[in-house]
Amino acid sequence: DAGITQSPRHKVTETGTPVTLRCHQTENHRYMYWYRQDPGHGLRLIHYSYGVKDTDKGEVSDGYSVSRSKTEDFLLTLESATSSQTSVYFCAIGGETDRFSYEQYFGPGTRLTVT
Amino acid sequence: QKEVEQDPGPLSVPEGAIVSLNCTYSNSAFQYFMWYRQYSRKGPELLMYTYSSGNKEDGRFTAQVDKSSKYISLFIRDSQPSDSATYLCAMSDVYDKVIFGPGTSLSVIP
Repeated sequence: DAGITQSPRHKVTETGTPVTLRCHQTENHRYMYWYRQDPGHGLRLIHYSYGVKDTDKGEVSDGYSVSRSKTEDFLLTLESATSSQTSVYFCAIGGETDRFSYEQYFGPGTRLTVT
Repeated sequence: QKEVEQDPGPLSVPEGAIVSLNCTYSNSAFQYFMWYRQYSRKGPELLMYTYSSGNKEDGRFTAQVDKSSKYISLFIRDSQPSDSATYLCAMSDVYDKVIFGPGTSLSVIP
């Protein structure tokens, strides 16, 4: 998976609980992305980062926040988890030059269930 | 109307068949067209990409883009059981985010 790890790989949590997902890369890519994947919707961009402390919103950012304090780590936080956030979350890294590189490398995913 | 539409399948074919996977899109600004393959419980991996219109061939795989019809295709020749996966089309313009289709599930039966 191109030097990308995600933790945890599986998590079950209760509604209203804060949750943090971690993405770690060893490729030194500048751009990192968080997607969620749901049946019928495909991959949808939540947030992305174009450098340390530089982040921006994607298509479905409501209810999510991110932080990037080091090049290799990109954290996704659900401040107060809701059942609609039950999904599979993928981290991806992209190219050095394009803002949104067409060539993205994905991590193994985190399966999150909110009960 | 979604920006990118793709028949979710599932598509089931016998080994050795030619497979055709398709996507339509609405944004005429898209310039990059990609196909990602995703095995069950794995992350997507880039299979092929095409810039603008035309065909691109890589082994048993051929990607085709028809910008006038806003239609892209992926052909798999001599399909193998190892090709069983979900295929996601994706596209972007030069400066904006990548938009993914919902994926087509393919099963190649030995």
